[in-house]
Amino acid sequence: KNEVEQSPQNLTAQEGEFITINCSYSVGISALHWLQQHPGGGIVSLFMLSSGKKKHGRLIATINIQEKHSSLHITASHPRDSAVYICAVGFGNEKLTFGTGTRLTIIP
Amino acid sequence: NAGVMQNPRHLVRRRGQEARLRCSPMKGHSHVYWYRQLPEEGLKFMVYLQKENIIDESGMPKERFSAEFPKEGPSILRIQQVVRGDSAAYFCASRGQGANEQFFGPGTRLTVL
Repeated sequence: KNEVEQSPQNLTAQEGEFITINCSYSVGISALHWLQQHPGGGIVSLFMLSSGKKKHGRLIATINIQEKHSSLHITASHPRDSAVYICAVGFGNEKLTFGTGTRLTIIP
Repeated sequence: NAGVMQNPRHLVRRRGQEARLRCSPMKGHSHVYWYRQLPEEGLKFMVYLQKENIIDESGMPKERFSAEFPKEGPSILRIQQVVRGDSAAYFCASRGQGANEQFFGPGTRLTVL
């Protein structure tokens, strides 16, 4: 079993829909990261959080430390949101452990 | 303030050649991580370095791979005698002293013919 599990693996939605991507982890962590990767592109850090909730524009990330679960939400989704979204966890200053990613496609 | 720089962005090598991948961390960052993304797979940790020290190399293949982060200059990931299975995207990330957040570079896409 992977230490970091994401669901769904693939998600296709219509423009404007509310999107939720889930991440569960099995190890103790000090921070969880949500990353975005466009096809053939680099990796952009969206959020780093260790508790509660963060919001940036149309993106919202939440984490429940007790349940070892995090969600990434996208409101009013747009075709430019199409990308792979990756959850990663770390403990202290150590290496990150990654989920396998969720491939999101937003249809106009 | 420049971000993490990696070069080259694309590298093509024939089997048996050497590949050298460079990573310049963000200004003021002294911690560098290398990650590998094999085709259709997730990112995997390779090695964590501070200036002149390897802190954790538990993700590095035992043979042909080495990494360094000298006092001056970029961090180098070196792959000797490359094989087709080394074809992947290699990302480095850096962070500052005492910080948790890692900032990623654009990656180097290595293709072995």
